[in-house]
Amino acid sequence: EVQLVESGGGLAQAGGSLRLSCAASGFSFSNFAMSWFRQAPGKGLEWVSEISDSGDNTHYADSVKGRFTISRDNSKNTLYLQMNSLTDADTAVYFCAKWYVRTDAFDIWGQGTKVTVSS
Amino acid sequence: DIQMTQSPSSLSASVGDRVTITCRASQYISRYLSWYQQKPGKAPKLLIFAASSLQNGVPSRFSGSGSGTEFTLTISNLQPEDFATYYCQQNYITPPHTFGQGTQLEI
Repeated sequence: EVQLVESGGGLAQAGGSLRLSCAASGFSFSNFAMSWFRQAPGKGLEWVSEISDSGDNTHYADSVKGRFTISRDNSKNTLYLQMNSLTDADTAVYFCAKWYVRTDAFDIWGQGTKVTVSS
Repeated sequence: DIQMTQSPSSLSASVGDRVTITCRASQYISRYLSWYQQKPGKAPKLLIFAASSLQNGVPSRFSGSGSGTEFTLTISNLQPEDFATYYCQQNYITPPHTFGQGTQLEI
C-alpha cells in the first residue's frame, strides 16, 4: 500500500525547534520529489517547501525561508522538515505529499502531524 | 506569485444536486490546475489533475474543465460523502504551489 506517515509534531515554545518526519512506503521514494504543506486552524492549505528526488534542489515559501530546512534520506525512505525559530504563525497541521510529474499534481498525502507553538 | 481565487467560498446543496465551483488564476496557467477534496481532520485527496483528468478511483460524477485562467469543478448527483471542502491548486509556475482559499460544500 502506498503510504506516507508523518510524525514529530507536538508542542513547542516560541523561538524553539521541531523536526518533522515523513516515512514513505509502497513506492520508490527516491524517484519522486516531495513537499511539505501546512494548514493553520480553520484555514486553507499552504505549500511550505519542496525537495527534488535526489535532494539536490530545495525551495521554500517566503514565510519559512531561513527558518525551515527540508531534507530527505532516500536510504531510509524518509522526508524531514527541520523547523527553527518557531512562532505562533507556524501553528498548523503539517502534511507531506508526493509529487507525481506525470500528473503535475500531488497524488499521495500523509495524514498530517499537528504542531502547536506556544508563546 | 500566481494568485488563485475560488468562488463561492461556501455552497449549500442537497443530495442529488449538481454543483459547480469556479477557480480563477491571476495569470495564465495553461491546464496546470488540480482539484483536491478535504474532509475535516483528513488529508487532501487529489480528484482532478491537468484541469480535466480524473484521478484513478475518483467517481465519474466529478469533472473538471477550463484552461488559461478560468476553471471549473462540477459534481453531478451529489452524494452524502461529497460534502467537504474543495481546493484548486496551480502547478504552472512554481514555487510556490498556490491554492485557492477553498470552497466549503455543505448540506
